[in-house]
Amino acid sequence: EDQVTQSPEALRLQEGESSSLNCSYTVSGLRGLFWYRQDPGKGPEFLFTLYSAGEEKEKERLKATLTKKESFLHITAPKPEDSATYLCAVRGGSQGNLIFGKGTKLSVKP
Amino acid sequence: GAVVSQHPSRVICKSGTSVKIECRSLDFQATTMFWYRQFPKKSLMLMATSNEGSKATYEQGVEKDKFLINHASLTLSTLTVTSAHPEDSSFYICSADSGNYEQYFGPGTRLTVT
Repeated sequence: EDQVTQSPEALRLQEGESSSLNCSYTVSGLRGLFWYRQDPGKGPEFLFTLYSAGEEKEKERLKATLTKKESFLHITAPKPEDSATYLCAVRGGSQGNLIFGKGTKLSVKP
Repeated sequence: GAVVSQHPSRVICKSGTSVKIECRSLDFQATTMFWYRQFPKKSLMLMATSNEGSKATYEQGVEKDKFLINHASLTLSTLTVTSAHPEDSSFYICSADSGNYEQYFGPGTRLTVT
């Protein structure tokens, strides 16, 4: 069964304290792994797509990496405005729908 | 680019009435759009996949007669919640497939049924 597990569920950081969010997945025929950011009361905002193991992508303070079993979202020197829920999703399997993890709620304190 | 809009952003309706939510891809054409539902502090739950010009595909447990989906053009899909009840109150989010497996999401619609 296709599955996505994100950890930790919640993460509290001080401003400037770098850390990583984990997304472990099992899927047949991966067609892409996606990271989204979601603020309260809003739809998910697209961040990255990773298609194959070894691929990395960066955007400002965020860097996403992918292996055959998991993906990491590295946050370097986070700022309070980085506080949000980060969602990981994979697309694969016979139907190709997005399968979401439960998200990691990140709080960055000044 | 890749902007998806939803309308309305918030709606309050009385029990028994129907509500229509629109989802538009503003700067690209989307053969496939998706409708999700999200409960507080929970992840997104896929309700249905909407394909332009054909019937929507509903996920198991989603009542197709209650949640009517129409994808009449490559930039517009609508979700109509028929005979709404308080348990239908939720955050509804649509997304559009940009064509390279990437989905872009709308801002969501908060439905409250009184």
